[in-house]
Amino acid sequence: DSGVTQTPKHLITATGQRVTLRCSPRSGDLSVYWYQQSLDQGLQFLIQYYNGEERAKGNILERFSAQQFPDLHSELNLSSLELGDSALYFCASSGALGRGGNEQFFGPGTRLTVL
Amino acid sequence: GENVEQHPSTLSVQEGDSAVIKCTYSDSASNYFPWYKQELGKRPQLIIDIRSNVGEKKDQRIAVTLNKTAKHFSLHITETQPEDSAVYFCAENRGNQFYFGTGTSLTVIP
Repeated sequence: DSGVTQTPKHLITATGQRVTLRCSPRSGDLSVYWYQQSLDQGLQFLIQYYNGEERAKGNILERFSAQQFPDLHSELNLSSLELGDSALYFCASSGALGRGGNEQFFGPGTRLTVL
Repeated sequence: GENVEQHPSTLSVQEGDSAVIKCTYSDSASNYFPWYKQELGKRPQLIIDIRSNVGEKKDQRIAVTLNKTAKHFSLHITETQPEDSAVYFCAENRGNQFYFGTGTSLTVIP
């Protein structure tokens, strides 16, 4: 167990709908990263938050958004869902910036299926 | 491109043999290089990492080497076992972001 939690574990929804994925980082970690992993694909970085602020943006669609709350948990919002959004969504957390080479720990992922 | 180059994409070895996976990065300022093992449907798990001030690091049957001049780093697994079968990802820590390789599917044949 990495200490990172994600809910829900599975999510099945229809095209056009909106869903929210939730992540709680390890205790003490300030950074949260979101990744998308489609079938047989690598990890695609979506977005990173540090202590409530957006720090880096990757290949995140405009239909997707995220935020990190004061208690450091983060939510990834996916709207106007399409079939191609079906994937495993992972969040990962790491410690404070500036220490260089921070280990990233992954949550168990949320498997999203869009029908 | 942003992603780290990782080779090979698939690798099959006989149990007991060694496996080597290589990654190439582009930013000389990158200072941290982790390796993750991911079993089917599960989370990536950190198995070993190396920082830019070190050339090699070993943990039992797993080792990682870093060549900063050539900008590549490699994962070495010795005495492979069937439970080593998984997808392995390398990553590069560049600034605030982590860039991942495309993965190597390792199969260890009993």
